[in-house]
Amino acid sequence: GAGVSQSPSNKVTEKGKDVELRCDPISGHTALYWYRQSLGQGLEFLIYFQGNSAPDKSGLPSDRFSAERTGGSVSTLTIQRTQQEDSAVYLCASSPGTTINSPLHFGNGTRLTVT
Amino acid sequence: TQLLEQSPQFLSIQEGENLTVYCNSSSVFSSLQWYRQEPGEGPVLLVTVVTGGEVKKLKRLTFQFGDARKDSSLHITAAQPGDTGLYLCAGVGYNTDKLIFGTGTRLQVFP
Repeated sequence: GAGVSQSPSNKVTEKGKDVELRCDPISGHTALYWYRQSLGQGLEFLIYFQGNSAPDKSGLPSDRFSAERTGGSVSTLTIQRTQQEDSAVYLCASSPGTTINSPLHFGNGTRLTVT
Repeated sequence: TQLLEQSPQFLSIQEGENLTVYCNSSSVFSSLQWYRQEPGEGPVLLVTVVTGGEVKKLKRLTFQFGDARKDSSLHITAAQPGDTGLYLCAGVGYNTDKLIFGTGTRLQVFP
């Protein structure tokens, strides 16, 4: 696997249901980010994992959103009781080190539609 | 809260024209990156600038980091249809590795 892999690529769910979005980062990358993008606009920061440090959760919009990263690799973003305003593209990115010298490698995103 | 405002939000030009995209903030950043994103894909890094006043060139693209490290610009010379896409600046603040993205500039270059 050469790049960051996200699944599913598309998810349609009913309002009130829970969803899980998965991110497989590039092997060996210690940093992992989740962003949300609405209608081709800028990226909204959600959460950042770096190695074994406590994640930076400062961007999560509500307590319905949570994320975990198991074994320093795969990450899952969970949205509980989805709302229509949660509809967006959720992008995951990984990086081999600290951001200042390390570019982010993005997956192609999961397009979430809440009906 | 660190915010990065980009202008213009939309830009539609003819092939061969020049253009400049601006990225501004009231916050100081330790480094700043520029990405380009095409439909259905994630953003791809174009350049990273680290030093205040730094200028980097990538073929027809010229990137500049402001002296005060609060702003940046992207200048494209003789735009091509292949330059079409969403351009995003992103900054790293001090004492953090968190990368904050700008509001984006959507560029359309017509042949």
